Amino acid sequence: NAGVTQTPKFRVLKTGQSMTLLCAQDMNHEYMYWYRQDPGMGLRLIHYSVGEGTTAKGEVPDGYNVSRLKKQNFLLGLESAAPSQTSVYFCASNSAGTMPQHFGDGTRLSIL
Amino acid sequence: DQQVKQNSPSLSVQEGRISILNCDYTNSMFDYFLWYKKYPAEGPTFLISISSIKDKNEDGRFTVFLNKSAKHLSLHIVPSQPGDSAVYFCAASGRGGSNYKLTFGKGTLLTVNP
Repeated sequence: NAGVTQTPKFRVLKTGQSMTLLCAQDMNHEYMYWYRQDPGMGLRLIHYSVGEGTTAKGEVPDGYNVSRLKKQNFLLGLESAAPSQTSVYFCASNSAGTMPQHFGDGTRLSIL
Repeated sequence: DQQVKQNSPSLSVQEGRISILNCDYTNSMFDYFLWYKKYPAEGPTFLISISSIKDKNEDGRFTVFLNKSAKHLSLHIVPSQPGDSAVYFCAASGRGGSNYKLTFGKGTLLTVNP
């Protein structure tokens, strides 16, 4: 039972580069989320999706884009990476109308 | 403006004793609360939750207490074990948990000493 799988686990980028983080869940969950966690901070919601083909902004969406083309996948894109986006990124999912959210193990992203 | 506050960045207890982790919230629309545990290099894992219609929920060594009038909840771990050493996050949601958005506190690092 894989649950929520995030790819890659870590990555180093240069300022201005682009990349996509992949989140895959095998629990048939309708809802999926992207969070970032910074030192001394809780998890902050970047974007979320309540179903295939739908996305919405969270608390800190600037500089990120997302897509949910398939129910099991939620992609987070950085078009032009900035040092302020150095963080640990977590993906989560849950069934519609129920808790809790289930988290992946994170992607550690460093932008130089 | 922090809506969920964990004012203690860290807590150290002896093995076998009780650990009490505290959480305060300001948004009166929150009515469902969760505790997550996080080990280094892993994602948060769900520990226990409580709805605002209750004031206590137990699961083995873990008990969550909710004081709605004070907008305060606490997680009790009895007895504490070294394997409980982790960061604990308090999170809150509205509409009985059916509102999918979670608001997290900054976390409390619990260290249980053998």
